Amino acid sequence: DSGVTQTPKHLITATGQRVTLRCSPRSGDLSVYWYQQSLDQGLQFLIQYYNGEERAKGNILERFSAQQFPDLHSELNLSSLELGDSALYFCASSVGQGGAGQPQHFGDGTRLSIL
Amino acid sequence: GQNIDQPTEMTATEGAIVQINCTYQTSGFNGLFWYQQHAGEAPTFLSYNVLDGLEEKGRFSSFLSRSKGYSYLLLKELQMKDSASYLCAVRDNNAGNMLTFGGGTRLMVKP
Repeated sequence: DSGVTQTPKHLITATGQRVTLRCSPRSGDLSVYWYQQSLDQGLQFLIQYYNGEERAKGNILERFSAQQFPDLHSELNLSSLELGDSALYFCASSVGQGGAGQPQHFGDGTRLSIL
Repeated sequence: GQNIDQPTEMTATEGAIVQINCTYQTSGFNGLFWYQQHAGEAPTFLSYNVLDGLEEKGRFSSFLSRSKGYSYLLLKELQMKDSASYLCAVRDNNAGNMLTFGGGTRLMVKP
């Protein structure tokens, strides 16, 4: 158990809909990272928040947004969903901003299926 | 950008040793991580290298050569539970220290 909690574990919805994925980092971790993993793309970095502020951005679509709240939990919002958004979405956390040897610890992921 | 290459699949025998290679190209190298991921599960941290040389952790070791843009993960005394994907990830300080992951190497351990 990494200490990172993601909900829900599974989500099934239809094209055009909007969903929110939730992540609680490990106790004491200030950074939260979101990743998308699909069969043909591997693990793709989406966005990082550190202590409530956006820290780094990867290949995140404009239809996707995220935020980190004062209690450090984070939400990833996916809108106007398309079939290609079906994937595993992982959240990870680390103590600091991601420097030195700080590993990222991953949650169990949310499996999103778009019908 | 970054380019990270790993073999897609490898097969090895229980009790044997296997070496999984990773090559990378990055402008601001700032560390390399290895993760293990069982199918449908979370990646779990295995090792970290930022200086040249070998880091040993029990049955797992990881090696880095920065001049060659090369790393390998060495797994000794293979067990069936080692069947998983192994992900190489590089951190780039010219990209906000974000991690870029390779496509992963799926290792199958056979009896």
